[in-house]
Amino acid sequence: KQEVTQIPAALSVPEGENLVLNCSFTDSAIYNLQWFRQDPGKGLTSLLLIQSSQREQTSGRLNASLDKSSGRSTLYIAASQPGDSATYLCAVHGSSNTGKLIFGQGTTLQVKP
Amino acid sequence: DAGVIQSPRHEVTEMGQEVTLRCKPISGHNSLFWYRQTMMRGLELLIYFNNNVPIDDSGMPEDRFSAKMPNASFSTLKIQPSEPRDSAVYFCASSRGGQGSTDTQYFGPGTRLTVL
Repeated sequence: KQEVTQIPAALSVPEGENLVLNCSFTDSAIYNLQWFRQDPGKGLTSLLLIQSSQREQTSGRLNASLDKSSGRSTLYIAASQPGDSATYLCAVHGSSNTGKLIFGQGTTLQVKP
Repeated sequence: DAGVIQSPRHEVTEMGQEVTLRCKPISGHNSLFWYRQTMMRGLELLIYFNNNVPIDDSGMPEDRFSAKMPNASFSTLKIQPSEPRDSAVYFCASSRGGQGSTDTQYFGPGTRLTVL
């Protein structure tokens, strides 16, 4: 059974700092991995999707990497801003290819001005 | 595009009452997903439809929960009778692909359900 873990559960950094969020999964036979952002009281917004054949994806100040063999992904945020404060969730499409996303518990990020 | 639309945004009800949550997916999307989010269990998939047909309902917690998708633009999730442990945020999401698709999923704003 696929399990997704995110560490740390919470993170507080000063504005301008570069930071890394971690995601690990137990079954390396995934189809893709997605990173989402969730603001308080809101739905999820997809940030990046990495296909299983890819090693990384970039969007603006965000860079996500994927290492299937070790069951790990990282989300790198450069030059963090207070507007980046949110909960970041990673999710994998599991090996059964049913369209089902399995989510981690998320990392809640606070960027202090 | 308006994105995924859910209603109501907030629902407060008493134990034993019937609750119906509604979702309108993004036009042209073939897959629709219902998720539940709680502090204890995080985000869990309840059921997913492809071309209006339920494909995987293994996440539906018990017979009190039912979901329908009568057409491509509308789905409901019903809880009858509701219990306090059903209190959670319920999200609907949709994606373009066919059965088993791994396309990006787009989420609605959620319905916050409180059962007293």
